[in-house]
Amino acid sequence: QKEVEQNSGPLSVPEGAIASLNCTYSDRGSQSFFWYRQYSGKSPELIMFIYSNGDKEDGRFTAQLNKASQYVSLLIRDSQPSDSATYLCAAYSGGGADGLTFGKGTHLIIQP
Amino acid sequence: NAGVTQTPKFQVLKTGQSMTLQCAQDMNHNSMYWYRQDPGMGLRLIYYSASEGTTDKGEVPNGYNVSRLNKREFSLRLESAAPSQTSVYFCASSEFAGGRGDTQYFGPGTRLTVL
Repeated sequence: QKEVEQNSGPLSVPEGAIASLNCTYSDRGSQSFFWYRQYSGKSPELIMFIYSNGDKEDGRFTAQLNKASQYVSLLIRDSQPSDSATYLCAAYSGGGADGLTFGKGTHLIIQP
Repeated sequence: NAGVTQTPKFQVLKTGQSMTLQCAQDMNHNSMYWYRQDPGMGLRLIYYSASEGTTDKGEVPNGYNVSRLNKREFSLRLESAAPSQTSVYFCASSEFAGGRGDTQYFGPGTRLTVL
């Protein structure tokens, strides 16, 4: 059973600080990783994806991948109250269109 | 472009009733998916269609059927609704060219309550 694990939270971070969200995955063959943001009562929307070891930056967001440790993280710099949401990590393990496994998400609260 | 659309947005059913959830995408994507999301359970794949003309079971297919009507439309049918099917249902689509996988785009969801 392929699993993607996230701390459910809530993770509380003061406004302006760096929020760090973590994710581990069980399938060492996972090829690519996605971070989605989901506001309460809304649908998931993609923030960014990563498939190479190291860091990938997009604006205030940085995704970090360490395949040896089977660990993915998302850093949000200069956190804003509008960043308060649930963040879903997903891993693609190949094998077909059904190869994407989602974690249960981390609830992030940015305190003004 | 509307992206992925779903109807209805809300639905209340009685146990044993049937209904069909509709999904359409205008991004010319090959693959479409149906998920359910329950508190503490995350997103679970019900059925998917890798390409027009094909459908396959996902993680939790029992009690559901699907139809890929054409490249744009993918419907989910509950033949005899049960309270355990109370959930939020999301349709998603992706281009899916294989390889490293690709981004799935989600519809707004249908909130279903079965009494």
